[in-house]
Formats: sequence, C-alpha cells, structure tokens
Amino acid sequence: AQTVTQSQPEMSVQEAETVTLSCTYDTSENNYYLFWYKQPPSRQMILVIRQEAYKQQNATENRFSVNFQKAAKSFSLKISDSQLGDTAMYFCAFRDIYNQGGKLIFGQGTELSVKP
Amino acid sequence: DTEVTQTPKHLVMGMTNKKSLKCEQHMGHRAMYWYKQKAKKPPELMFVYSYEKLSINESVPSRFSPECPNSSLLNLHLHALQPEDSALYLCASSTGQGRTLNTEAFFGQGTRLTVV
Repeated sequence: AQTVTQSQPEMSVQEAETVTLSCTYDTSENNYYLFWYKQPPSRQMILVIRQEAYKQQNATENRFSVNFQKAAKSFSLKISDSQLGDTAMYFCAFRDIYNQGGKLIFGQGTELSVKP
Repeated sequence: DTEVTQTPKHLVMGMTNKKSLKCEQHMGHRAMYWYKQKAKKPPELMFVYSYEKLSINESVPSRFSPECPNSSLLNLHLHALQPEDSALYLCASSTGQGRTLNTEAFFGQGTRLTVV
C-alpha cells in the first residue's frame, strides 16, 4: 500500500524568505502523480503544484517549485519569497495513475506560518 | 468553470435529524469524491463515484449514504449521526479513471458539520 509522510508538523518562515517542506512516499508503482495542496483557514483545498512521475524535470509554478527525487521517493516543496497569504496547511498527496480508483493518499500535513 | 460548489457551507443537526449535503461541478469530470476532514488532519476518503456508479466505499457507516443523480451532482445523505461525525466534509472531482491519465482533484469549500 502506498503511504505519504510529512515529517514537519509545523514550520514558520519570515516574509520574503524561502522555506522548504518535506515529503516522502512509498510505492511499488512506476507511474503516478504527486501533488502539493494548500488549505488556508478559509478551508478550500487548492492545488499548488503537481508532478508526473515519468517526467524528470522538476515542476515549477511561479514562486513554488519541487525537488522530485524518484529513486529516493522524495518530493519536497520550495516556496520562494514567502508571502503572508502562503500561511496555510500544506498537504503532500500521491495518486496512482491507473489503479486505486483515482483516490488521493495524503500526508499528515505541515502547518506553515509566514511571519511579517 | 473550474469550481466545485458545495451547499450548505455550515450545518448543525441533531442526532435524530436527516439532512443532505450537496455537491455540484460543471467541468465534465466523471469521478467525484466525498472526504471527511477533522481539524489539522488530512482528508479521509469516504466514497468514490466513477461514471455515476459507486466504485469505492471506504467502510463508511451506513448512517452516511451517498447518491449520484447525474454526472454533475453528488449528494451525501445523513441520518442518525453521532457527535464524533462532526467534521468538514469535502467534495472533489477529477477526470476519468482507469486507463486514462488522472489529473488533479478539484475540491469544494466544504460543509462544516456539527452534530449536537
């Protein structure tokens, strides 16, 4: 069974600084997606970034980028130039492309606070 | 339109009440999901509907009854709930499953349910 582990329950960062959130996962599959979701206090779960396992290149979305290490089964999220609006719970999630009914498997989450 | 709309946003119900949560999407997605989320915890999958048929039931108690009337709508009927069922209930949708490539799930804002 697939598992996702986020080892940092809470993190804080100063505004405009850079922070990295860690995520590791375990799977025997070769084709899958990985996601980072953000859930601010407004509770809407918002997709931050996604990575297809068959792509070598790390995904980037504006200030958000990932370091995807397939062999190590590691998928960290880097937030550059942190903003107050980045304060939220961040969930790493895994999806098997062909199996498991499309279900997302979430990590336990990292609560990020951006301080002024 | 990339929205998943959930109603109501808040719901307080007694243990003997019957209520329903509603979810709607117009993105043409054929997979829809119900998740339950406790505070500062990851969402827990409850049900998956694929092409309007129930494909996954994660051993959810029968006091929760899902219904998918058509490809755009997903309901969750609630009856005789317990106080421990109080949580945020999230609906999500995504593109088809099986041998098609799955993409990210889009989430609604959730219904905050309180059982008294």
